[in-house]
Amino acid sequence: AQSVTQLGSHVSVSEGALVLLRCNYSSSVPPYLFWYVQYPNQGLQLLLKYTTGATLVKGINGFEAEFKKSETSFHLTKPSAHMSDAAEYFCAVSDQAGNTPLVFGKGTRLSVIA
Amino acid sequence: NAGVMQNPRHLVRRRGQEARLRCSPMKGHSHVYWYRQLPEEGLKFMVYLQKENIIDESGMPKERFSAEFPKEGPSILRIQQVVRGDSAAYFCASSPPSIGELFFGEGSRLTVL
Repeated sequence: AQSVTQLGSHVSVSEGALVLLRCNYSSSVPPYLFWYVQYPNQGLQLLLKYTTGATLVKGINGFEAEFKKSETSFHLTKPSAHMSDAAEYFCAVSDQAGNTPLVFGKGTRLSVIA
Repeated sequence: NAGVMQNPRHLVRRRGQEARLRCSPMKGHSHVYWYRQLPEEGLKFMVYLQKENIIDESGMPKERFSAEFPKEGPSILRIQQVVRGDSAAYFCASSPPSIGELFFGEGSRLTVL
C-alpha cells in the first residue's frame, strides 16, 4: 500500500522568502510523485510531477521538487515566495504503471506574509 | 479543450434525501475517479471507473453510496439517504489510460441540513 506524509499542516513565510513544503512517501513499487495546488473553492491543479529520469523536476509558477529515493522524499521548494502562492498544497503518489489511484497527503496550507 | 466538468457546484439536501453528483471527463479520457475532501483531511479516494465498469471501489462506503460511468453520458456519484456527515466537497478527476496524472474538476460541495 502507498501513503504520503506531509509535515506541517500550515506553513507561513514572508514574501520573498524561501518556500519549503515537505513530503515523504511510502511505496513498495517505484513511485510516480505529484504536487498539486488548490486555491479556495477550486479544484486541484498540477504543479509538477516525477515519473522517471531526472530527479529534479521543475513545475509551474517557479516551483520545483527533488525526488530522493534514499530519503523517500519529494519536497517542494520555491526560492522566493509571492503573495499569489498562498494556497493549499497536496503531495500525491501512485505506482508507475498508473494502475492505482493517486494517494494524497493531508495537505499543507501556505500563508505568505507581506 | 474543456476540462473536467462537474455539476452542480453546490448542492443542499436535507437528511434522508438523495444527492446526485455528475462528472463529465475531459475529451479523450476514459478513466474517472471520485474523491471526497473533508477539512483538515485531504482528499480521500472513493472509486475508480472506466466506461461501464467499476475498477476499484475500495474507498466507497458500503452503504448508501454508488457510482456509475455509463457508455453514454457523465459519471454519476449517488448518495442515498444523506446524513450530515456526508457534507463535504466531492471531486471528480479524469485521465487517459496508464498515465497516472489526474485532471480535476472544480468540485461539488454538498451541504446536508
